[in-house]
Amino acid sequence: DQQVKQNSPSLSVQEGRISILNCDYTNSMFDYFLWYKKYPAEGPTFLISISSIKDKNEDGRFTVFLNKSAKHLSLHIVPSQPGDSAVYFCAASSGNFGNEKLTFGTGTRLTIIP
Amino acid sequence: KAGVTQTPRYLIKTRGQQVTLSCSPISGHRSVSWYQQTPGQGLQFLFEYFSETQRNKGNFPGRFSGRQFSNSRSEMNVSTLELGDSALYLCASSSGTGSYEQYFGPGTRLTVT
Repeated sequence: DQQVKQNSPSLSVQEGRISILNCDYTNSMFDYFLWYKKYPAEGPTFLISISSIKDKNEDGRFTVFLNKSAKHLSLHIVPSQPGDSAVYFCAASSGNFGNEKLTFGTGTRLTIIP
Repeated sequence: KAGVTQTPRYLIKTRGQQVTLSCSPISGHRSVSWYQQTPGQGLQFLFEYFSETQRNKGNFPGRFSGRQFSNSRSEMNVSTLELGDSALYLCASSSGTGSYEQYFGPGTRLTVT
């Protein structure tokens, strides 16, 4: 059972426009969410995170929105740049001390078109 | 600070063999987690070690095992390799004390023939 779902395997966006990546989860015990970016032949790189006590967190061009009632989060990248082309994974944790397990979605491949 | 390092980066083994992968976490991090990445399954959690003890475990068979040393370095072992074990194996480190961000190494690409 996939507890974290990224239903769009791929997304193409024009350079300079907004990229919106979506993620849904089913486990109501999740209360901490993270986004990672992955280039080929490299490990995932941490981008941004959000706690369930917030509905928005912003870091430069990256903003994560959390809708707890819908069990949905999204990552907005504005403006999109060619270097943003990568696979993006959302991940979730129950946030309890002693539980370092992250549950990942299957990823969305973002392509920025120059 | 130096990042998470993993050795070797690439490995080719045959079915039935066993393999050991190594991970050195970021200095000061006490938690090391291991993940398997395959094209269809994304990143699947294998296990996590904290202060030399396995603290969390995913749903993988007993052929997958690990350990952590007193300097927080960790090793993962897979015995009796199967073709389906071909994957990218990633380790991630974190403080282990309530900071949920994990920092990943570059991975070891294992190919089983």
